[in-house]
Formats: sequence, C-alpha cells, structure tokens
Amino acid sequence: AQKVTQAQTEISVVEKEDVTLDCVYETRDTTYYLFWYKQPPSGELVFLIRRNSFDEQNEISGRYSWNFQKSTSSFNFTITASQVVDSAVYFCAPFRRKFYFGSGTKLNVKP
Amino acid sequence: SAVISQKPSRDICQRGTSLTIQCQVDSQVTMMFWYRQQPGQSLTLIATANQGSEATYESGFVIDKFPISRPNLTFSTLTVSNMSPEDSSIYLCSVELANYEQYFGPGTRLTVT
Repeated sequence: AQKVTQAQTEISVVEKEDVTLDCVYETRDTTYYLFWYKQPPSGELVFLIRRNSFDEQNEISGRYSWNFQKSTSSFNFTITASQVVDSAVYFCAPFRRKFYFGSGTKLNVKP
Repeated sequence: SAVISQKPSRDICQRGTSLTIQCQVDSQVTMMFWYRQQPGQSLTLIATANQGSEATYESGFVIDKFPISRPNLTFSTLTVSNMSPEDSSIYLCSVELANYEQYFGPGTRLTVT
C-alpha cells in the first residue's frame, strides 16, 4: 500500500509571495505515478501534473514547478508569485492501481 | 483530457431515501471510479465501475449501500441508498485515460437531513 503525508494543513501567504507545498510518500512499489490536484472552493478537482516514478526531472509550467526527489520520496509543489486565484486545497496523490490521496493543504492567498 | 459531467450537481435529501448520481464522459474510457469526499476530508475511493460486470468495492463500502451501474464505456451511476446524515459528502466520478492521467467530474454535493 502507499501512504502520503502533506504535513502542512493550511498555509497563508500574501499575493506575489512564493509558496511551496510539501508532499512525502511511502511506497514499496518501484513503478508508480505521482499526481497533484487543485480543488478550489467550487469543489471540482483540477488536474495539475502527473509524474512517472522513473522521471526525476523537475518540471515547470508557468508559475508552477515541481521538485521530485525519489531518494527522499518527496514531490513538492511550488507556486511562484502567488495570486488570489491560487487559493484552494491542493492534493498530492501517488497512484499505483488506485489513488492514495493525501489529506490536502489548504492555501490561502491574501491580496 | 476528458470532459466529465455529473448530475445532479447538488441535492438535499431526507434520511432513509436513495439518490442516484449520474456520470457522463465525452469519450469511451475503460476505467471509471467513484470517490467520496466527506466535509473537510480527503478523497476516498468507493469503487471501480466495471463495464459489463459488477463493480469492485473498496474496503468499507458495500454494494447494498452503494450500487453502481456501468452500462457502457461513457456512463456510470452511483446510488447512495437508505441515506443518513453521515452520507453527506461530495461524490465524484473519475476516469482514467490511456496515459494514466485521471480526470474528475465536477462532483455532486449531497446533504442528508
């Protein structure tokens, strides 16, 4: 089975600040996927990224970047120059046959 | 990506009644799933909806309480039976595409009074 820990329950930042959301997972599998999802107050889950366990290259997409460290089983997510619209709950989720969702980190971006 | 719709988007139901939630996807997909998100909590997988056969339920979820249908590759329903206030949650369907990307529907917010 897999387990994921998102130690930050809630984070508050002021607009334009950079913020990093931590994700640490446990797995005995050698092959798996890692996902991040955003859940704004409206409730829908928005797919952000999928990462294969064999691909340790960091990825940047606009203001979003992800740092995958297989050696420490971490898959952290950074938002650069945060905006109010980034306010949401963010879920990290390892996937091996099914999802194992973390408890989520609620991000509050204040103007 | 996939476009997924769910009906109803929200409902308020009385205890003891049942509600059927529909999930429609804009393309044929092999894997469809149903999740529950209780207030302030993370997502929990209820079951995998299998086309042409009985759904596969996760530990703690049973067919009598959450019957699922999957008549074809683009549609599934989840019924929440004999509801109690503890069933108040967001129910989400998701689909898995060929490249393991998973997309979620907008969710159904259920309140049981």
